[in-house]
Order: sequence, then C-alpha cells, then structure tokens
Amino acid sequence: QKEVEQDPGPLSVPEGAIVSLNCTYSNSAFQYFMWYRQYSRKGPELLMYTYSSGNKEDGRFTAQVDKSSKYISLFIRDSQPSDSATYLCAIFNQAGTALIFGKGTTLSVSS
Amino acid sequence: DTGVSQDPRHKITKRGQNVTFRCDPISEHNRLYWYRQTLGQGPEFLTYFQNEAQLEKSRLLSDRFSAERPKGSFSTLEIQRTEQGDSAMYLCASSTGHLNQPQHFGDGTRLSIL
Repeated sequence: QKEVEQDPGPLSVPEGAIVSLNCTYSNSAFQYFMWYRQYSRKGPELLMYTYSSGNKEDGRFTAQVDKSSKYISLFIRDSQPSDSATYLCAIFNQAGTALIFGKGTTLSVSS
Repeated sequence: DTGVSQDPRHKITKRGQNVTFRCDPISEHNRLYWYRQTLGQGPEFLTYFQNEAQLEKSRLLSDRFSAERPKGSFSTLEIQRTEQGDSAMYLCASSTGHLNQPQHFGDGTRLSIL
C-alpha cells in the first residue's frame, strides 16, 4: 500500500461548481498535511497547510482532515477556469523533513 | 521576485553526458530540498540540506547523483553519465529551519535525455 493515495482523475466541472479532492494515507503517525496546486510546466504552489483534524478555510478553499479515517480533502467553492490545474496532497514524513506526495488530481473547469 | 529560483529551466542532453542544475532558495530559508517529478506522478524526495549540511538522502539518489550546498546558500544537483530514466522535472524547495514547515517550490528544471 502506498503511503499516500490520490485519484488522478481527470475531473471536469462547469464554472461555479463545488469541487471535492481527496487523499488517503496509511500511517496514523502523520501529523502535517498540505495541498499544492501545480500549473503545467510550473512548480507546486502551496495552497493550504494544516496540522490537526477539522477544517481550515482560506477564501474559496477549505481543507479538511479526518485523522480517524486517515482521509484529507480539499474543497473549492465557486470554481473558476483559472482553478484548472493539478492538485497535489502532501504529507510530512514522520521525521518532519521530506514531503510525501500523492499522484495529483487533474482538474478542468470549463466556462 | 524573492521566490525559489532554478536554472536552467530546461536542459536537453545526450545519454551519458553530465548535467548540473542550480537552485537559489528564498533568502531567509536555511533548509533546501531536491525532488524529482515524472509525468503523471507527484514529486519524490531526493535529498535535503540544513545550511551546508546534507542531512538526508533518499534511496532514489543513486551514486550518479550528487548534491552540494557549499556556503549554505545556493545548491547544485549534478547527474553523471545520464540515462534515459533520468528524464524528469527536478524541483527545488526551501523552508525555514524548523521541522514540518511548509516547503516552497521553484518552477523546476526539466531534463530531457536524447
């Protein structure tokens, strides 16, 4: 079992839709969770950083962590064509040094 | 722009040649990381530095790979005797000196092996 699993999609939605992106992880010792957005031929850009169960909101983005289920989610409200990108979940390893990434989910928002 | 800077953006080389990439981190960040990303995959950790000390290496970092950060500022990643399988995006990231701090990425160097 991979340490972090993420459905690669692709996911296509119309403009204005609510998008739900998800990852599962295998090690209950993981504590710190991130979501990155990556546009084509660009590096990952940090969107959200959380370290506890529950929700964290930033504008149209909400990150949710459920440690009991080892499940993390990113919700995007009122999706825009500019949100079209690959979304990567990332979790710190137990040492707190290296990030372990999911494969990324490719999102396309059509106008 | 005070983000992470990587050079070159794209490198094309023949199999068997040596290549070197450079990364300039965010100036106040003393941790620097290298990752490799292949098509359709998330980035995979290669190695990281705290100041000039290389503290962790992944099993992905074969003997043909070497990374340095001589003065604790910029870093270089060298690949010797390149192979087809080395074709990937090489990403650099930096963070402050504490554990579990968010890592900020550059736009990577795309390596293509002919």
